[in-house]
Amino acid sequence: EPEVTQTPSHQVTQMGQEVILRCVPISNHLYFYWYRQILGQKVEFLVSFYNNEISEKSEIFDDQFSVERPDGSNFTLKIRSTKLEDSAMYFCASSETSGGTYEQYFGPGTRLTVT
Amino acid sequence: RKEVEQDPGPFNVPEGATVAFNCTYSNSASQSFFWYRQDCRKEPKLLMSVYSSGNEDGRFTAQLNRASQYISLLIRDSKLSDSATYLCVVPFYNQGGKLIFGQGTELSVKP
Repeated sequence: EPEVTQTPSHQVTQMGQEVILRCVPISNHLYFYWYRQILGQKVEFLVSFYNNEISEKSEIFDDQFSVERPDGSNFTLKIRSTKLEDSAMYFCASSETSGGTYEQYFGPGTRLTVT
Repeated sequence: RKEVEQDPGPFNVPEGATVAFNCTYSNSASQSFFWYRQDCRKEPKLLMSVYSSGNEDGRFTAQLNRASQYISLLIRDSKLSDSATYLCVVPFYNQGGKLIFGQGTELSVKP
């Protein structure tokens, strides 16, 4: 069964450093998403991406964040200057479409720890 | 009203029990809804979709009341393996397809 993969599974970084979280969506999917979940809190939408551009972003997704699809398979989330409050589990998701009965498939997540 | 609101639980039930979770949503334009399941520190996984008044899949039944903007999930004959957090999810198709999650309801099924 096809699945979304994410690397690394755990990333530890110092405050102020840049991190890049990587995702490989399911191959025939066209819509890509990043979510985050701070420990003990709910899953929060960050950004959706289609046709090589952002289609929607949340208030959390400020200028410190960027997304990119550098090639035909990877989808990345970059945090330019990490803060302590960026510590969370980051989930990538993908779907065939954005409407109707689509399902978003989630990757296993990257746990980001900012010290 | 919050976009998506759920009872946080935890619900502690014995094996074989029937348990029901509630969820309310604020966007009256939403047409479909999802229940996802999340095991500890793992990714959310789709459990059920709800489009019309309800949906049934084995021991699981989801119901939708559009007038009250209320969704429920019923689990019959609970198994130990049902222990997880159940997430009520509302998609916003006209906003990039984003999913808005409730805070989740924790279920613990005991022997």
